[in-house]
Amino acid sequence: GAVVSQHPSWVICKSGTSVKIECRSLDFQATTMFWYRQFPKQSLMLMATSNEGSKATYEQGVEKDKFLINHASLTLSTLTVTSAHPEDSSFYICSAQDRGRLGQETQYFGPGTRLLVL
Amino acid sequence: SQQGEEDPQALSIQEGENATMNCSYKTSINNLQWYRQNSGRGLVHLILIRSNEREKHSGRLRVTLDTSKKSSSLLITASRAADTASYFCATASQKDRANSKLTFGKGITLSVRP
Repeated sequence: GAVVSQHPSWVICKSGTSVKIECRSLDFQATTMFWYRQFPKQSLMLMATSNEGSKATYEQGVEKDKFLINHASLTLSTLTVTSAHPEDSSFYICSAQDRGRLGQETQYFGPGTRLLVL
Repeated sequence: SQQGEEDPQALSIQEGENATMNCSYKTSINNLQWYRQNSGRGLVHLILIRSNEREKHSGRLRVTLDTSKKSSSLLITASRAADTASYFCATASQKDRANSKLTFGKGITLSVRP
């Protein structure tokens, strides 16, 4: 149990286009989802926290108009990178948390999405 | 900002040996978690230890937590080549208990030679 999927697993796009990444909890309800980015050989940096049905809370320095997050249901959150530029190229990872059945402390991570902006 | 700092940054051992990785943090925590990441993949949750716990076991994993020193260690016994991965400690701050945010360390690259 506690499986999280991400789609797509990798994407290449042209500068200026928008890219949407989906994060789904497959066998549990995710009351909270987190979005991270990771540069090569570096740690994960939290971008934002989203609770189902409410607006996402962004970390300091993360542009909310650049990285649009929607958590419309208990099993799906989306991250849209708007007007992507080469510096947005990174590995984006989501995680999901179920504060009910699975306990509130463990985050279950998706496999990540590698974004390359040309 | 990063809170956890792991050491060593890289560790290379022979299969069958034990691997010990350390993590230090700065603020008061609610819990500390260890994750594994294979190259280019997502994170796999290994073990969680709460602030009121001192030691925890899970299979070949042993985690200790010393809140007075703000440090934790992860011991992998009888290592296997498949244990080769990056390992991260992550802390859940007491201040962020409502949101359960995690702050990750820089990670340790473990290589287990067959």
